[in-house]
Amino acid sequence: AQRVTQPEKLLSVFKGAPVELKCNYSYSGSPELFWYVQYSRQRLQLLLRHISRESIKGFTADLNKGETSFHLKKPFAQEEDSAMYYCALKNFGNEKLTFGTGTRLTIIP
Amino acid sequence: NAGVMQNPRHLVRRRGQEARLRCSPMKGHSHVYWYRQLPEEGLKFMVYLQKENIIDESGMPKERFSAEFPKEGPSILRIQQVVRGDSAAYFCASSPPQLGYNEQFFGPGTRLTVL
Repeated sequence: AQRVTQPEKLLSVFKGAPVELKCNYSYSGSPELFWYVQYSRQRLQLLLRHISRESIKGFTADLNKGETSFHLKKPFAQEEDSAMYYCALKNFGNEKLTFGTGTRLTIIP
Repeated sequence: NAGVMQNPRHLVRRRGQEARLRCSPMKGHSHVYWYRQLPEEGLKFMVYLQKENIIDESGMPKERFSAEFPKEGPSILRIQQVVRGDSAAYFCASSPPQLGYNEQFFGPGTRLTVL
C-alpha cells in the first residue's frame, strides 16, 4: 500500500535560515509527488509537483527514488513561509491523492 | 471564479442524525473528490466522482456513507446515523475534465462535530 511519511509535526526556523521539510514515501510503482501548503485561514493549495521541476516561492523539491524521498527545501526562510505543509503522492493513472500528516512550519523573526 | 465552495462550514449533529455536506466545484470542473481529515492526521481520500458517476469509492466506509454528484447541483456527501468517530474536517476538491494529471483545487472544508 502507498504511504507518505512526514516525520516532523512541528518545525521552527529562524528567518533567513535554510528550510528543509522531510517527506518519505512507500510505493512500488512510479509515483507522482506533490507539496501542498495551507496558510493561516486559507484553503489547501498546490505548492509544487515533481514533474514540473520548478521553483515556487523559492521552494524546490527533488524526487529521490533511491531514498524514496521528496524533501522540500528553501535556502532562506521568510516570515510568510509560516504555514502547514503536506506532502502527497498520486498513482500514475489514478486520481486520488495520499497525504502525509503534515508539518507545521513556523518562521521565527 | 469563486473557487470550490463547501457548505456548511461548520455542522453539529447529535449521534444518530444525518449529516449532508455540499460541494460546488469550480466553474468548468466536472471531477470532484472528497477527503476526510481526522484530528492529528493527514487528509484521507474517500471518493472520486464525475457527473452522475462514482469513479473510485475505495476510501469510503462500507456503511452509512454515500456520495453523489448529480447532473445539476452540487456534490453531496451524506453520512447517516452519525457517530462520534465521524467528527472530522471534510474537504472537497475539484479538477477540470481533461486527461492526465489535473491539479485538484480544494474547498475550505466542512468541520463536522458529532455530540
